Amino acid sequence: KAGVTQTPRYLIKTRGQQVTLSCSPISGHRSVSWYQQTPGQGLQFLFEYFSETQRNKGNFPGRFSGRQFSNSRSEMNVSTLELGDSALYLCASSSLNRGIVDGYTFGSGTRLTVV
Amino acid sequence: DQQVKQNSPSLSVQEGRISILNCDYTNSMFDYFLWYKKYPAEGPTFLISISSIKDKNEDGRFTVFLNKSAKHLSLHIVPSQPGDSAVYFCAASLGDSSYKLIFGSGTRLLVRP
Repeated sequence: KAGVTQTPRYLIKTRGQQVTLSCSPISGHRSVSWYQQTPGQGLQFLFEYFSETQRNKGNFPGRFSGRQFSNSRSEMNVSTLELGDSALYLCASSSLNRGIVDGYTFGSGTRLTVV
Repeated sequence: DQQVKQNSPSLSVQEGRISILNCDYTNSMFDYFLWYKKYPAEGPTFLISISSIKDKNEDGRFTVFLNKSAKHLSLHIVPSQPGDSAVYFCAASLGDSSYKLIFGSGTRLLVRP
């Protein structure tokens, strides 16, 4: 079955612009989470959605936002881009209401470069 | 405040030997711990998890040990294979009320043929 699909794979944006990243979870998965990975920082939790509702949010500024659609696809948006937003953005999906036990399935990520 | 720490950024072992990756945490409320493996240009892949009520979980060549009193967990890979060369992340969860994973910064494992 198809995995978690993230588009685009690579993106270059200019400071001050905004960007929208897309994530299509595995079919039937209703929980979608977003993480930011920067060198030496591991993965930092952004937010998690389940059935179109944001259930949890990480410690990121309000410039980072997300949403989930009725088909479980999710988007995240970053407005007023800063150089420090350059990172790999990873989306993960889970089939369970509480997906921790089996772990989340991650997509390959979107590599965002802000210049 | 880094609640999950992987103090060794890299580890090199000989093929066939044991690889031991370590992880320390500070929050005693964590109730699940997971290990992920990540190859370049790919997303992390789930390896193995352990509940805080257990001290060991085994899956094939991978075993995770949890020492709650020391707030320490480790991943043992036996025997190590060149294909195991990747970055390994440990992660922790605060349980039913939280759907987020808190990750360490990763350890790069190199298995030499």
